[in-house]
Amino acid sequence: TQLLEQSPQFLSIQEGENLTVYCNSSSVFSSLQWYRQEPGEGPVLLVTVVTGGEVKKLKRLTFQFGDARKDSSLHITAAQPGDTGLYLCAGPPYGGSQGNLIFGKGTKLSVKP
Amino acid sequence: GAGVSQSPSNKVTEKGKDVELRCDPISGHTALYWYRQSLGQGLEFLIYFQGNSAPDKSGLPSDRFSAERTGGSVSTLTIQRTQQEDSAVYLCASSLAGAGQETQYFGPGTRLLVL
Repeated sequence: TQLLEQSPQFLSIQEGENLTVYCNSSSVFSSLQWYRQEPGEGPVLLVTVVTGGEVKKLKRLTFQFGDARKDSSLHITAAQPGDTGLYLCAGPPYGGSQGNLIFGKGTKLSVKP
Repeated sequence: GAGVSQSPSNKVTEKGKDVELRCDPISGHTALYWYRQSLGQGLEFLIYFQGNSAPDKSGLPSDRFSAERTGGSVSTLTIQRTQQEDSAVYLCASSLAGAGQETQYFGPGTRLLVL
């Protein structure tokens, strides 16, 4: 069974601090996606990484896909209260149907002003 | 344009009753997914539709769970004889064609509480 493990589970920081959250697996994924979910809403896709070693930037967010395509990280620079939410990584299961995704349990981020 | 909508937004039911959860995907999206999000468990895949057929039902936890999709659009997830462990947020998502790297657009979910 393919699993995605995220760490830390919870993170509470002050506005302006930097942070990194991790998504790790013992299995290879063809791609990984990062979502952010706010209370009472569904997850919203932030980015998809496809190539081993790939780095993508989205304003203050930097996403990296490991060379072996087994892990990914999300780094936030100068966090703001608006970054608060649940960050989820997800990927399609190897050899599975085209549709469904395997999700990690998420990192719950709280940024205090 | 309208996003994915789900109804009801909240549902409280008694153990043993049946419930129906509805999902309206984005117009034109052929792929539709149901997930369950429980406290501390993350999102768990339930079932995937391509058009009206379900090529992957592997995530349905028991035969009390079923789903259908009609007209390539609306989907209904039915839970029969609900149990307390069925309490969770049920999320529906849709995507254009069902390819593995596609963006899945999620609805706001239905919060189910079984007393």
